[in-house]
Amino acid sequence: DGGITQSPKYLFRKEGQNVTLSCEQNLNHDAMYWYRQDPGQGLRLIYYSQIVNDFQKGDIAEGYSVSREKKESFPLTVTSAQKNPTAFYLCASSTVLSSGNTIYFGEGSWLTVV
Amino acid sequence: GQQVMQIPQYQHVQEGEDFTTYCNSSTTLSNIQWYKQRPGGHPVFLIQLVKSGEVKKQKRLTFQFGEAKKNSSLHITATQTTDVGTYFCAGPRGGGSEKLVFGKGTKLTVNP
Repeated sequence: DGGITQSPKYLFRKEGQNVTLSCEQNLNHDAMYWYRQDPGQGLRLIYYSQIVNDFQKGDIAEGYSVSREKKESFPLTVTSAQKNPTAFYLCASSTVLSSGNTIYFGEGSWLTVV
Repeated sequence: GQQVMQIPQYQHVQEGEDFTTYCNSSTTLSNIQWYKQRPGGHPVFLIQLVKSGEVKKQKRLTFQFGEAKKNSSLHITATQTTDVGTYFCAGPRGGGSEKLVFGKGTKLTVNP
């Protein structure tokens, strides 16, 4: 069954702790993305990667880190430097086409920091 | 930077009424995409428009891309409760198509 798998779906952490969200895709897509969604804010790009071992900052990268050691995997670490980490996090992937990339999203991870 | 604005932010309709959401970009877009996110779910790709003035239909949904390729609309005819959700438009960020800029979405609620 092809798709994007995010885990965990729900995560609670204490303030000051680092948290890593997992994202795996078996769609053979080159590009992967992390978005953050807050109520009324739409989708904001955190990081993206077009190829293995390379990634770029998005609009709100501060306090986050990523790695892309394998094509299938793009984990996101929410560090203690992120001032307001409670949010819904969406991982996505796409092929890289000159005509535009259609993005496929995972089911998301809800992170609550208390 | 490039911005994609969507209006309205919220829309509440009676079942059977029509619904339209509008998307405007500060720059010309090579293409525009529409996504739907059901309550508690994740965004799902609906359609991509590429050509100036393009119109595409999916059952009761009609998508339009403006002649200047800076605006787009999604129209739903005779809404049903299954149409509930947030509709997002998205366009490629300037300088490359690998990143999308999303509008903030229009949240549609339908009263049965």
